Amino acid sequence: EVQLVESGGGLVQPGGSLRLSCAASGFTFSNYWMSWVRQAPGKGLELVANVNQDGSEKYYVDSVKGRFTISRDNAKNSLYLQMNSLRAEDTAVYYCARVVIGVVIFDYWGQGTLVTVSS
Amino acid sequence: DIVMTQSPDSLAVSLGERATINCKSSQSVLYSSNNKNYLTWYQQKPGQPPKLLIYWASTREYGVPDRFSGSGSGTDFTLTISSLQAEDVAVYYCQQYYSTPYSFGQGTKLEIK
Repeated sequence: EVQLVESGGGLVQPGGSLRLSCAASGFTFSNYWMSWVRQAPGKGLELVANVNQDGSEKYYVDSVKGRFTISRDNAKNSLYLQMNSLRAEDTAVYYCARVVIGVVIFDYWGQGTLVTVSS
Repeated sequence: DIVMTQSPDSLAVSLGERATINCKSSQSVLYSSNNKNYLTWYQQKPGQPPKLLIYWASTREYGVPDRFSGSGSGTDFTLTISSLQAEDVAVYYCQQYYSTPYSFGQGTKLEIK
C-alpha cells in the first residue's frame, strides 16, 4: 500500500525557516517524480515544487523561487522541502504527492502538514 | 500561464440526481501530436487530501465508480456524476498538465440539496 507521511509543519515567524519531510513507503520511491502541493486555509490547490527521480531536475512556482528548495534522499525514501524567508502568504497545508510516470498528475497524496507563518 | 476556471463555485443537487461541473482553460490543453487532453479531475472530501478521479479528461482512475465521467476537449471540460450519492459531497478540482505552471481550478463545492 502506498503511503506518504508528512512532518515538520508548525508555527513560524515571518522571515523564519522550516523543513518539511515526507516519508514514502509501499512503492519504489526512486522511480517517481515527487511534488509538494499546498492549500491555503479555505482555498484551492497550488503546485509548489517538483523533483525528478534522481534529484537533478527541479521545478518551482514563481512565488517560492529563491526561497524554497525541494530535495530527496532515495536511500531513505524521503522527500524534503526547505522553506526559508517565510511569508504570511505561505501559510497552508503542504501535501506530499506522487507524480504519475510521464505526466504531472498526482495519484497519491499524504495527509498534509500545516505551516502557519505568523508573528 | 494557463488559467483554469470552474463553474459553478458551488452546487446543490438532490440524491440520485445528476451533478455537472464545468472547467474552462484559457488555452487549449489538447496536445495535437497524441490527440490527448491534458486535463484531470480530483475530489477532496472534508479533512482529506485530494483524490485522483479522472485523467486525460475522460479516463477514470482505477476504483472510481462509473457514475463519475469526464468529457470535453480543447478548452471546455465537464465532470458529471450521473446519480449523486451522499459520499460524493466534496470539493472538485480540475487541473491542467499541459504546460508549466501546472494549474488548478478554484474548486467547485458539491452539496446535497
